[in-house]
Amino acid sequence: GAVVSQHPSRVICKSGTSVKIECRSLDFQATTMFWYRQFPKQSLMLMATSNEGSKATYEQGVEKDKFLINHASLTLSTLTVTSAHPEDSSFYICSAFSTGAYEQYFGPGTRLTVT
Amino acid sequence: GNSVTQMEGPVTLSEEAFLTINCTYTATGYPSLFWYVQYPGEGLQLLLKATKADDKGSNKGFEATYRKETTSFHLEKGSVQVSDSAVYFCALSPFTGANSKLTFGKGITLSVRP
Repeated sequence: GAVVSQHPSRVICKSGTSVKIECRSLDFQATTMFWYRQFPKQSLMLMATSNEGSKATYEQGVEKDKFLINHASLTLSTLTVTSAHPEDSSFYICSAFSTGAYEQYFGPGTRLTVT
Repeated sequence: GNSVTQMEGPVTLSEEAFLTINCTYTATGYPSLFWYVQYPGEGLQLLLKATKADDKGSNKGFEATYRKETTSFHLEKGSVQVSDSAVYFCALSPFTGANSKLTFGKGITLSVRP
């Protein structure tokens, strides 16, 4: 099946700094990618929908100035957590929609820890 | 709004046991329903799906039937294997295609012992 990668898999940063997470579709092009956040023992919560070449659409309650999403190419979307705080510590997961397979494919996730 | 409720876990079974994981949903209209599986260290993978009432999704011995009258999409397998040990997520989407924003349940961890 199609593969979606995320980089890094784990990152630790200091409070107040910014961190960028990359999501790549390795063997297909994705005009639409999604970013989710998962808290321990809880479900994945959709943060935003990322469309190639246009602004991301954020879910209610998600700060767009804090979670910057850029989808500059058909194979890459990035999520930048700006001025990170400990409460931003979480597991961030992306998915990419394949129009060929008509299915979402998920990345393995990125564990962010803010100290 | 849309929501998905899964039974509490974790679940531990012996190999070849029968598996049922309950999932109920709340949504307007006719959502599509999904089961995703996450093996250790990997991303979520689509296990099966159903897009309309009474549809049965099946894959790798797993089955789930879209029951609109009970708003349920329970996952079943007749004989589990150790390799089925993973986290299972039930999800729904009001649309299909690129706009298919998913709403997930909390997930349930299945451990199968030899």
